[in-house]
This record gives sequence, structure tokens and C-alpha cells, in this order.
Amino acid sequence: AQSVTQLGSHVSVSEGALVLLRCNYSSSVPPYLFWYVQYPNQGLQLLLKYTTGATLVKGINGFEAEFKKSETSFHLTKPSAHMSDAAEYFCAVNAGNNRKLIWGLGTSLAVNP
Amino acid sequence: DAGVIQSPRHEVTEMGQEVTLRCKPISGHNSLFWYRQTMMRGLELLIYFNNNVPIDDSGMPEDRFSAKMPNASFSTLKIQPSEPRDSAVYFCASSPQGAGANVLTFGAGSRLTVL
Repeated sequence: AQSVTQLGSHVSVSEGALVLLRCNYSSSVPPYLFWYVQYPNQGLQLLLKYTTGATLVKGINGFEAEFKKSETSFHLTKPSAHMSDAAEYFCAVNAGNNRKLIWGLGTSLAVNP
Repeated sequence: DAGVIQSPRHEVTEMGQEVTLRCKPISGHNSLFWYRQTMMRGLELLIYFNNNVPIDDSGMPEDRFSAKMPNASFSTLKIQPSEPRDSAVYFCASSPQGAGANVLTFGAGSRLTVL
């Protein structure tokens, strides 16, 4: 069965600092992996996704994530945090049938001036 | 495109009342998903439609919940009777042909409070 674990429900960084949000997954089939962002009082928005091919995936707003099969990880990074990055971030894995995503519980990112 | 449109944005009701949440997917998208988000359980898929047909409703918590998609541009999620534990944010999402759950566009959500 598929599962997703996001390490750290709350992460706080200073503006300009590196952002690292951790996601580990479990999947019995080659996974499709996703990061979504949710700004306050809004729906979720796709940041980036990995399906096949290049393991380093670039997304919107300067975010990127690297698929590491050996570590079953898909951590999200951004070299320099901006105040506007403050939001909830969700990692998800496709359950193998294109119908259902298994979601992590989310990581709330705070950016301090 | 206006994106996925949900209404109402906020609903406060009393236990036992019927609640109807509405969703208009993106034009041309043929898959529609209803999700529920709570602090305790995170995001849960309630039901998935493809070409207006319910494909997977295994996430619907109980018979009090029902969902319909009478046409490609409209879906409803109904709770009757509502209970305080139904309080949550309900999201509708749609995706284009063939994409399934791999390219989801979410609405802004309907925040339901059942007193």
C-alpha cells in the first residue's frame, strides 16, 4: 500500500534562507510524486510533479524536488525563501491507478523577516 | 478560465439540517474529485467522477453523504442529515481527459461548520 510521511508539521525559516521540506513515501509500484501548495483560504495548487525521467524536477516559484528511489524521498527545496512562500505544503503519491492520490498531512511553512 | 468554482464558500448549519455543496469544474475537464480536509485526518478523497459517472465512492463516509454529477459542468455533494463531525473544508477538483489524479485543479473550498 502507498503512504506518505511529511517530516515536520511546522517549519520556520528566515527570509532568504534555504527552504527544505521533507517527504518520504512508500509505494509498491513506481510512484508518481507531487507537491502542492495551499495558501490561506485557498485551494491547493500544483507546485511540481515527478512521473518518469529526470529525477530533479523544477516547479513554479523557484521550487524544486528530487526523487531519490534509494531513500524513498521526494524533498522540496528552494534556495532562498520569500515572505510570499508562507503556506501549507502537501506531498502526495499516486496510488498506481491514476485515480487516487495518497496525501501527507502537510507542512506549514513560516517565513520570518 | 475562471477555474474550479465552488459554492458556498462558507456554510454554518445546525445538526440535522441538509447541506448541499456545489462545484463547477473547468470547462473541458472530464474528471471531478470531491475531497474533505480536516486537521485530524488531512485530505481525504470522497468520490471521483469520470465523464459524469461515479467511478470510486469508497471514500464516502456513510450513507448520509451523496454526490451527483448531472452534467459535465456541475456536481453536488449533499449531506443529510448533517452532524458536527462533518465540519470540514470540502474541496472540489477537476482534471483533463486522461490525466486522472495526476493534474488536479482545486477550487477554493467550502468551509462547513455544523453546530
